[in-house]
Amino acid sequence: DAKTTQPNSMESNEEEPVHLPCNHSTISGTDYIHWYRQLPSQGPEYVIHGLTSNVNNRMASLAIAEDRKSSTLILHRATLRDAAVYYCILLSFGNEKLTFGTGTRLTIIP
Amino acid sequence: GAGVSQTPSNKVTEKGKYVELRCDPISGHTALYWYRQSLGQGPEFLIYFQGTGAADDSGLPNDRFFAVRPEGSVSTLKIQRTERGDSAVYLCASSLSRVVDTQYFGPGTRLTVL
Repeated sequence: DAKTTQPNSMESNEEEPVHLPCNHSTISGTDYIHWYRQLPSQGPEYVIHGLTSNVNNRMASLAIAEDRKSSTLILHRATLRDAAVYYCILLSFGNEKLTFGTGTRLTIIP
Repeated sequence: GAGVSQTPSNKVTEKGKYVELRCDPISGHTALYWYRQSLGQGPEFLIYFQGTGAADDSGLPNDRFFAVRPEGSVSTLKIQRTERGDSAVYLCASSLSRVVDTQYFGPGTRLTVL
């Protein structure tokens, strides 16, 4: 299975943008890049996903490198409620189970 | 609409006992997943159902763990002869179909084996 690598932790000031990186150098052509986050004492929550093109939704943006070996989750204006562990996960047809890894623990500084 | 619900929210049991954990998926979701999360770790895949059948049970740690989904909706995770190492939060998720769709998670059941 293609794996992802993320920093263990990051900090950001409130109301500033946050860029969360993910490396997936062994990604295959059929792998989708998914991001989930887990707030304290809650189940994981879907954030965004993409295949090749950059994606935007109400929660975040996903920037995917041209060679697809890395991606960046962008929170445009972090709030205290965005403090969570963020997971970058690869999914493909026939491999729908989420393999979470250790993720990036994001701390928001008021 | 209603999200994924799990019962009980907390379960304390003694070593060697049998436990059942229930998951009610979002109505109409054909795919259902069970994960287990130990303290400080990311969730770990256990089993995945498509309809009534287990499409992938490769994550079940041993034969003490079993899950069913007899009518393609509610699922029950069953653990026999519980051990202290089974203590964890058990998470259930459902999705509309099997095709790399968004998984919606329940709040989890915290299992403590004394």
